[in-house]
Amino acid sequence: EVQLLESGGGLVQPGGSLRLSCAASGFTFSTYAMSWVRQAPGKGLEWVSATSGSGGSSYYADSVRGRFTISRDNAKNTLCLQMNSLRVEDTAVYYCAKKSTAAGDTGSIDYWGQGTLVTVSS
Amino acid sequence: QTVVTQEPSFSVSPGGTVTLTCGLSSGSVSTSYYPSWFQQTPGQAPRTLIYTTDTRSSGVPDRFSGSILGNKAALTITGAQADDESDYYCVLYMGSGIWVFGGGTKLTVL
Repeated sequence: EVQLLESGGGLVQPGGSLRLSCAASGFTFSTYAMSWVRQAPGKGLEWVSATSGSGGSSYYADSVRGRFTISRDNAKNTLCLQMNSLRVEDTAVYYCAKKSTAAGDTGSIDYWGQGTLVTVSS
Repeated sequence: QTVVTQEPSFSVSPGGTVTLTCGLSSGSVSTSYYPSWFQQTPGQAPRTLIYTTDTRSSGVPDRFSGSILGNKAALTITGAQADDESDYYCVLYMGSGIWVFGGGTKLTVL
């Protein structure tokens, strides 16, 4: 059974940093691309970032490019999202998601974690 | 910037059939956009229903189907049930590794 467990969310001041982690199990982690998707309170889903199975390719939404960095440790079955220069508008539940292929670009999401809440506020 | 469009709301009677659509503010959706569909109930994580246009995700009943209808991606639910009342989101691949979600459709079953 595929399981994705996010951690690292919390309250941070504008301009601050936070690192999210996602522990994956139930599948061969290195074989699949992974993604982060967020949802602001009361709003819809927003694609944030993705990385290929090897971690050699990464992609970002315009809204986070240059501030967020996606990474993965295939030896530890862990996906991370380093978030710097956080803004109030980054407040959201952040979901870790598994893709259906190793391709970080075209691969589609097939499984989701339960999410972790990030609140950016002074 | 291209916007992904969805009906804000839709209603269906129990046992009925409903088709939700996912379009572009400019242009037509094709299989090259790898459309996916997700279901989300309040307070819960999304669940994948359909990906790459018409591939049903594991455990999803065959009442849910995906297709391209005209110039849009479509999600059809047949034999609607009370627990199908949810928000439904589509996502499209825009190229260069970028994906864009639609604004979601709130489906009411009544």
